Amino acid sequence: AQTVTQSQPEMSVQEAETVTLSCTYDTSESDYYLFWYKQPPSRQMILVIRQEAYKQQNATENRFSVNFQKAAKSFSLKISDSQLGDAAMYFCAYRSVQGAQKLVFGQGTRLTINP
Amino acid sequence: GAVVSQHPSWVICKSGTSVKIECRSLDFQATTMFWYRQFPKQSLMLMATSNEGSKATYEQGVEKDKFLINHASLTLSTLTVTSAHPEDSSFYICSADHRDRGLYGYTFGSGTRLTVV
Repeated sequence: AQTVTQSQPEMSVQEAETVTLSCTYDTSESDYYLFWYKQPPSRQMILVIRQEAYKQQNATENRFSVNFQKAAKSFSLKISDSQLGDAAMYFCAYRSVQGAQKLVFGQGTRLTINP
Repeated sequence: GAVVSQHPSWVICKSGTSVKIECRSLDFQATTMFWYRQFPKQSLMLMATSNEGSKATYEQGVEKDKFLINHASLTLSTLTVTSAHPEDSSFYICSADHRDRGLYGYTFGSGTRLTVV
């Protein structure tokens, strides 16, 4: 079974600075999808960014980018120019391409933005 | 974009009663719906996966007789917590798979906070 590990329960960053959230996963599959979701205090889950494992190019969405290292099974999220609205819980998630296509979540990282 | 409407957003019920939570996909057909439970400051725990027109698949340790899931149409899935007890108090979230639209992501409902007194 696949597992996702986020080793940083909490992170904080100064407004306008850059922060990187870590995520590692374990799988024997060669093709899969990886996601970062944001859960603000409203608790609505919001998709931040996604990556297809077969793509070598790292995904980017405005201020959010990932560092996908397939061999190392690492999928970190970099937030540039941090804004107060970025404060939230961030979850890394894995999904198989075949079979049970459920999301497997990491434990989450609570990100605080200091003004 | 794809929207999943989840109701109610919060509910308080007495111990021993049943509560139904609904999730509707508003602008797409949700072939598969996932139901999660989230305790405070914890991650989402998958409870079950429901496919339209078939029985739900429950994760290990989830009581299927307590958490009844129905996915009778491509736009509606329901979770009924039967004979609720205080330990069932939690935040419940649904998520729809909209891969039928050519995407490989999920859309989440806004969640339901259940408090059993």
